Amino acid sequence: DGGITQSPKYLFRKEGQNVTLSCEQNLNHDAMYWYRQDPGQGLRLIYYSQIVNDFQKGDIAEGYSVSREKKESFPLTVTSAQKNPTAFYLCASSIEGNRRPQHFGDGTRLSIL
Amino acid sequence: AQSVTQLGSHVSVSEGALVLLRCNYSSSVPPYLFWYVQYPNQGLQLLLKYTSAATLVKGINGFEAEFKKSETSFHLTKPSAHMSDAAEYFCASSGGSYIPTFGRGTSLIVHP
Repeated sequence: DGGITQSPKYLFRKEGQNVTLSCEQNLNHDAMYWYRQDPGQGLRLIYYSQIVNDFQKGDIAEGYSVSREKKESFPLTVTSAQKNPTAFYLCASSIEGNRRPQHFGDGTRLSIL
Repeated sequence: AQSVTQLGSHVSVSEGALVLLRCNYSSSVPPYLFWYVQYPNQGLQLLLKYTSAATLVKGINGFEAEFKKSETSFHLTKPSAHMSDAAEYFCASSGGSYIPTFGRGTSLIVHP
């Protein structure tokens, strides 16, 4: 079955450390997204990518970086510049084009040690 | 610019009662509208979508939603709540941009 795989499910970060969250999809979708979810705040867009080797900042990109070297992969790095990284991170993908529903992974929960 | 407002961060119902989750949108172009469900520590799953065809949309798990342009609403309903419906529900709107705008979510609590 096609879908989105996020790993790890739980991740712990030490102060001053960069960590990378993995997102892989086998849906052959062109567009991929990263969201941050905090209690009561819904989903906030971090970065998105419409095609390989191209990505754009979302609403809260500061302290995060991404790459899109392959169509099926869109890893997110949470850098030490992100001062409040504790959150639930969701990766999504969609067929390229307007007004398409998104498919989501099961998320990664990041905590600070 | 788009916006989505979900009225009520928490909705509590008894098992077997009607479920009504409210969503109002603002969009400068005719929107596509979506409802997603999220169970604890999982991603979002698409419940249903409105894409300018029929105004009454039926989704999975017995949910349906009605698009009302005059009220700019897309409320989610289910005639009879089940314990397994307890989850977080998100309304989303997609207009001229393919990036959807999400509401803040409504937590549905189902009492036995």
